This record gives sequence, structure tokens and C-alpha cells, in this order.
Amino acid sequence: DSGVTQTPKHLITATGQRVTLRCSPRSGDLSVYWYQQSLDQGLQFLIQYYNGEERAKGNILERFSAQQFPDLHSELNLSSLELGDSALYFCASSPLGGSGNTIYFGEGSWLTVV
Amino acid sequence: GEDVEQSLFLSVREGDSSVINCTYTDSSSTYLYWYKQEPGAGLQLLTYIFSNMDMKQDQRLTVLLNKKDKHLSLRIADTQTGDSAIYFCAVLDTGRRALTFGSGTRLQVQP
Repeated sequence: DSGVTQTPKHLITATGQRVTLRCSPRSGDLSVYWYQQSLDQGLQFLIQYYNGEERAKGNILERFSAQQFPDLHSELNLSSLELGDSALYFCASSPLGGSGNTIYFGEGSWLTVV
Repeated sequence: GEDVEQSLFLSVREGDSSVINCTYTDSSSTYLYWYKQEPGAGLQLLTYIFSNMDMKQDQRLTVLLNKKDKHLSLRIADTQTGDSAIYFCAVLDTGRRALTFGSGTRLQVQP
């Protein structure tokens, strides 16, 4: 158990819909990262938050957004969903703001868009 | 940006040593990681190494880093069937402050 909790574990939704994925980081970790894993793109970095502030941005679509709340949990919002958004979405947490050290991943949220 | 390359597949016999290799392009990378992913599961952090180290050992795992050649390897001693999984090399991109992953190496352990 990495200590990073993601919900829901599985989600099936229709094209055009909007979903929210939730992540609770390890106790004491201030950084949260979101990654997308798909068969054709591999593991892609989406976005990072550190102590409530956006710290780094990767290949995140404009239809996607994220935030980190004062209690440090984070949500990834995916809207106007397309079939190609079907993937495993990971959250990871780290005590630091991107300077390295331990980075632990959750079990992921499986999103299927039909 | 950073580019991380891994071979796709490795097959070994139970009890043998496995060596999974990784190359990366950004010489300023500071931390390098190995993760394990079993079917239908998340990414398990196995170990990581700081760039000022050449080697790190943790029980059956040995990580070797050759900074000159930008080459990282993970050796698993006495490989067991439970080690069958996909192993990902990841490098901390200091510019983007995020991990860049390789495509993963599928390790198959035959009894």
C-alpha cells in the first residue's frame, strides 16, 4: 500500500460527459502529480500541484483541469470526454515540490469512455 | 525534453538474475527511479538513485548508474515468478519537475 488513495477505481461513462477523479496524497506529502497511462501513449505527465499551487504542466488537454485543496487532496476534472480519453489515470505524491526524493503512485482510476 | 528508452521484453528462468536496461538523454537529471507494474495494478516504487551515486543495493535489487553513458540498469537477483511484471525506468526532468517514463520492460520469469 503506497498510501496514495484514488477514487473511483473504475468508471464507465459516455462521450461528451464530465467526470471527476479524486486523489488523497500520502500523509505529509505536499506535491500531487497526475499521469495518464494509455496503450498508445504510455505514461504521460499531466500536471503537478504543490501545496495548493500549480507547479508544472505537462501534456494536459484544455478539456482537463485539476486543483489541489487546502487539505491537500486533489481532483482531476475531465470534460467533453472522447473515446480516446479512455485510460488509467494515476495520482502520485511526494513530500517535495519536484526536487526528487520518493514519489509514490496510487492504484489508479480506470476510465472507460463508451 | 527528456527521452527515456527501454527494451520491451526480457525472459529469464526462475533463480537466474535479470538485468533491465534504460537509457536517457538529459544529463542534468538528478533522480532516477524504477517502478514495477503488475497486471491491472498500480505503479510500485521499487527503488531510486540520486545522480551522484554509481550504485545502490536494496536486498535483491541492484541499481547501476553510468552518468557518462546516461545508462541505468536494474538487476534482480534470484528472480522469482512473482517478479513477472512490467518494469518502468523514470527520470526526473528537472525542467518540468516531473517524471519522464520509459515505455516499460515486460519481464517474464519461466519456472
